[in-house]
Amino acid sequence: EDKVVQSPLSLVVHEGDTVTLNCSYEVTNFRSLLWYKQEKKAPTFLFMLTSSGIEKKSGRLSSILDKKELFSILNITATQTGDSAVYLCAVAGANSKLTFGKGITLSVRP
Amino acid sequence: DGGITQSPKYLFRKEGQNVTLSCEQNLNHDAMYWYRQDPGQGLRLIYYSQIVNDFQKGDIAEGYSVSREKKESFPLTVTSAQKNPTAFYLCASSLDAGPYEQYFGPGTRLTVT
Repeated sequence: EDKVVQSPLSLVVHEGDTVTLNCSYEVTNFRSLLWYKQEKKAPTFLFMLTSSGIEKKSGRLSSILDKKELFSILNITATQTGDSAVYLCAVAGANSKLTFGKGITLSVRP
Repeated sequence: DGGITQSPKYLFRKEGQNVTLSCEQNLNHDAMYWYRQDPGQGLRLIYYSQIVNDFQKGDIAEGYSVSREKKESFPLTVTSAQKNPTAFYLCASSLDAGPYEQYFGPGTRLTVT
């Protein structure tokens, strides 16, 4: 059975801090790992990672995958209150079915 | 505007009634998915369809049914056999069943009393 574990489950930071969100996985026939941001409604796509060691970057957000150690991290630098959300990690295995972790609730205080 | 629409946004039903949730996409995507989200549980896959007239059970299909008669539409029926139907339901689509990102609709919050 495919499995995704995210940590920590929640954290509170102040604006300007840098945060690192963790995602470890066990999956049969790994195809990709995806990060989503969810603010009360539909998750919005952030990154898809398929290769180890190649950093994906978008503004203050970046992510990297380690296929040997089976984990990924999502970094957010210079956090803003608008970064407050639930961050979901998902892995695509056989048939590209996505298995999601429980999510990390990030609260950024002014 | 291209995207995924779900209706209604909120739905209330009495226990014992079947209810159908709508999901429509105009992205020309082949694959569509239904997820259920409960507090602290993340998203769990109910059903998915990789092509018209074909669909497969996900991890928690019991008490649910789907159809895929048109590429654009993938309705989900929550039957009276579903023991805990109150949840937030999300529909998603992707280009095809390959390693592509899934795009999500706004969700339907179903409350059954």
